[in-house]
Amino acid sequence: KQEVTQIPAALSVPEGENLVLNCSFTDSAIYNLQWFRQDPGKGLTSLLLIQSSQREQTSGRLNASLDKSSGRSTLYIAASQPGDSATYLCAVYTSGTYKYIFGTGTRLKVLA
Amino acid sequence: EAQVTQNPRYLITVTGKKLTVTCSQNMNHEYMSWYRQDPGLGLRQIYYSMNVEVTDKGDVPEGYKVSRKEKRNFPLILESPSPNQTSLYFCASSTRTGLITGELFFGEGSRLTVL
Repeated sequence: KQEVTQIPAALSVPEGENLVLNCSFTDSAIYNLQWFRQDPGKGLTSLLLIQSSQREQTSGRLNASLDKSSGRSTLYIAASQPGDSATYLCAVYTSGTYKYIFGTGTRLKVLA
Repeated sequence: EAQVTQNPRYLITVTGKKLTVTCSQNMNHEYMSWYRQDPGLGLRQIYYSMNVEVTDKGDVPEGYKVSRKEKRNFPLILESPSPNQTSLYFCASSTRTGLITGELFFGEGSRLTVL
């Protein structure tokens, strides 16, 4: 059964730092992996989608990588800003199940 | 504007009183799904639908029903709500090519309290 883990659960950094959020999954047979941002009391916003055949995706200051064989993905945020403060979740869409399994998220706080 | 719309956004009800949470998307997406989000447990998939009239259970389907009679709508039905169904519910949709889905779009969420 697919399990998705995100470490750390919470992270506090000063503004301007580059940071890395981690996502690991136990079953490497995935169709894709997505990273989301969730602000308090709000829905999830998709940040990056990586299909299983891809190694990375970039959008602005965000870069996500995928290493299927080791069951890992990282979300790199460059030059962090207070507006980046939110909870970041990853989700994997596992082959043969048609289900998304979510990690419990990393709560990020960027201090001004 | 591309969006997933859920209603109601907030609801307080009592045990056993049937309720429906509606979900509608305007992006012509084939794949739709429902999730619940609970502290410490994260998001868990309740039901999903690959297309009209095609639905299947997620990881926590007990106590819920869904239907997909039209492509744009995917209502979540609680026939006899219980307090353990108090949660934040999200509907989401995406494109689908064969078995592979695209970017997931989420609604704003529906906060349900069952007394």
